[in-house]
Amino acid sequence: NAGVTQTPKFQVLKTGQSMTLQCAQDMNHNSMYWYRQDPGMGLRLIYYSASEGTTDKGEVPNGYNVSRLNKREFSLRLESAAPSQTSVYFCASRLAGDHGELFFGEGSRLTVL
Amino acid sequence: RKEVEQDPGPFNVPEGATVAFNCTYSNSASQSFFWYRQDCRKEPKLLMSVYSSGNEDGRFTAQLNRASQYISLLIRDSKLSDSATYLCVEPDSWGKLQFGAGTQVVVTP
Repeated sequence: NAGVTQTPKFQVLKTGQSMTLQCAQDMNHNSMYWYRQDPGMGLRLIYYSASEGTTDKGEVPNGYNVSRLNKREFSLRLESAAPSQTSVYFCASRLAGDHGELFFGEGSRLTVL
Repeated sequence: RKEVEQDPGPFNVPEGATVAFNCTYSNSASQSFFWYRQDCRKEPKLLMSVYSSGNEDGRFTAQLNRASQYISLLIRDSKLSDSATYLCVEPDSWGKLQFGAGTQVVVTP
């Protein structure tokens, strides 16, 4: 099983450029999440999708958009990248409910110059 | 104020020793928690779930203290491979997960 797959794993952008981070899961999970992780700040939720067809803002949504394309795929788009968006981005999924384990992708390391 | 607070450490632990650290949370209604382990430059992975009073899995014991609103993680007989950052996680009422910033553990030979 591939689990949660993110692409790309590394990306360097210039300020103002746009890009999309792709995420797919093959575990038939309902909920999917995008987090960013910065040194000393832990994981912060950007957007999440509780089920196919729904998306909601998390703690730090500004500068990002998401699309839940289908049950498997949840993409994160940076329309106009800024240096403050330099971070490690993790996609995650879980079945549902309070007790579901969260499975993470390997992360996407983004640098904005 | 962050809802889930952790001592960032690092906790430097001799191999074979016991180490314990806490995580405090703000929502008194929370029923369950998770401990995740994250190795350097890797994704977090579930270590343990914590329901009711606690949970034990081999050398790892997690306990929940509802009165003082904290959970703890204890690692016995520490191995070099236990070196990692341990993330405390609290689900909120809407199914989102609140992560602490993590506690770094360094096990030394």
